[in-house]
Amino acid sequence: GEDVEQSLFLSVREGDSSVINCTYTDSSSTYLYWYKQEPGAGLQLLTYIFSNMDMKQDQRLTVLLNKKDKHLSLRIADTQTGDSAIYFCAPNTGGFKTIFGAGTRLFVKA
Amino acid sequence: DTAVSQTPKYLVTQMGNDKSIKCEQNLGHDTMYWYKQDSKKFLKIMFSYNNKELIINETVPNRFSPKSPDKAHLNLHINSLELGDSAVYFCASSQVGTDGVGELFFGEGSRLTVL
Repeated sequence: GEDVEQSLFLSVREGDSSVINCTYTDSSSTYLYWYKQEPGAGLQLLTYIFSNMDMKQDQRLTVLLNKKDKHLSLRIADTQTGDSAIYFCAPNTGGFKTIFGAGTRLFVKA
Repeated sequence: DTAVSQTPKYLVTQMGNDKSIKCEQNLGHDTMYWYKQDSKKFLKIMFSYNNKELIINETVPNRFSPKSPDKAHLNLHINSLELGDSAVYFCASSQVGTDGVGELFFGEGSRLTVL
């Protein structure tokens, strides 16, 4: 079945760049999303990339996609304490099913 | 103004009881979902309805029964609650645009604790 794997934890210093990596198994994934979950809240969409793209930049966020290796990454430039949250990589095959994993907990040290 | 709202936010109950969680969205979306997030934050899809029709039904015990009276509401009823049902349940909605992107809008979650 479909699967998403991410490292559980990442710790960075304020001002550094954060890179969160994700591997997925469903090669038919058409859209690949990144969601952010703050404590006690639901998930919110951060950004997404279409499967025919290699890279997408959106202000401090850069998404890289290696479709051959089914690897997705999210880079956050100039990480701030407000970026501390859980980040979920979420592939979607173009239908109604978006798959999540356990997410990566980002800790930003001041 | 809340886009996706769930009630109750917290639910503490005994094993064997039956409980319901309600969800409403005011975004005009056609599709609604229930996701379960366990204590390790793993988020798993349970059900999805599109225009009141069940379109996704993952491997979920039949003690869980979703009901969609109209496309703005999706409720989750759980019979004979077990300890393992303790989790945060998230309702979400989406509307796939002409570009094919279907962002999920999540509620704040309902934390169920079974004692």
